[in-house]
Amino acid sequence: EIVLTQSPATLSLSPGERATLSCRASQSVSAYLAWYQQKPGQAPRLLIYDASNRETGIPARFSGSGSGTDFTLTISSLEPEDFAVYYCQQRSNWPWTFGQGTRVEIK
Amino acid sequence: EVQLVESGGALVQPGGSLRLSCAASGFTFSADWMGWVRQAPGKGLEWVATIKPDGSNEYYVDSVKGRFTISRDNAKSSLHLQMNGLRAGDTAVYYCARCPRGVDYWGQGTLVTVSS
Repeated sequence: EIVLTQSPATLSLSPGERATLSCRASQSVSAYLAWYQQKPGQAPRLLIYDASNRETGIPARFSGSGSGTDFTLTISSLEPEDFAVYYCQQRSNWPWTFGQGTRVEIK
Repeated sequence: EVQLVESGGALVQPGGSLRLSCAASGFTFSADWMGWVRQAPGKGLEWVATIKPDGSNEYYVDSVKGRFTISRDNAKSSLHLQMNGLRAGDTAVYYCARCPRGVDYWGQGTLVTVSS
């Protein structure tokens, strides 16, 4: 099973600041990595698929990069609605797996 | 509009069984990979099972292999998860998921509680 390790566990930032979230895979997942945002009481929302492709309707301030084992989700300038938990997920190998999440909180 | 509506969640005793269903609409159900993802209270996401568009292959996380069975009825645009031998650790919200490239659509979730 591929283990995805996200860092940091919590990111404390102010609106307008840049957020950089990391996801590291225990073995290569090529570019088969997605990022999700989840707010309390809601289902997750797909932000990025295949490492760098923004899902339809997702604002341009969200971007993804990386391949192989190291991936990054960047939020260029945090909006108030961006404070949430973010998960990465791989679909390279069965079973598909998620990272443990990074919480982005208001500083 | 794509919609995924789960049903079947309940309180069940350890060792019991439950069948979750997901009614899909707004897209060509028979063309897409589908799956179930769960989230224990206050915890992260866990992929449970996935099934190919034609139902020919199924994939499971190790912790549910031999106990859970995913299936689909393309004629009725429905997805199912048969859960047997339920354990306390299976307590979670179960989401129905459309997953062509990651999960692009999620259901609202159905709560399964395993407790005596």
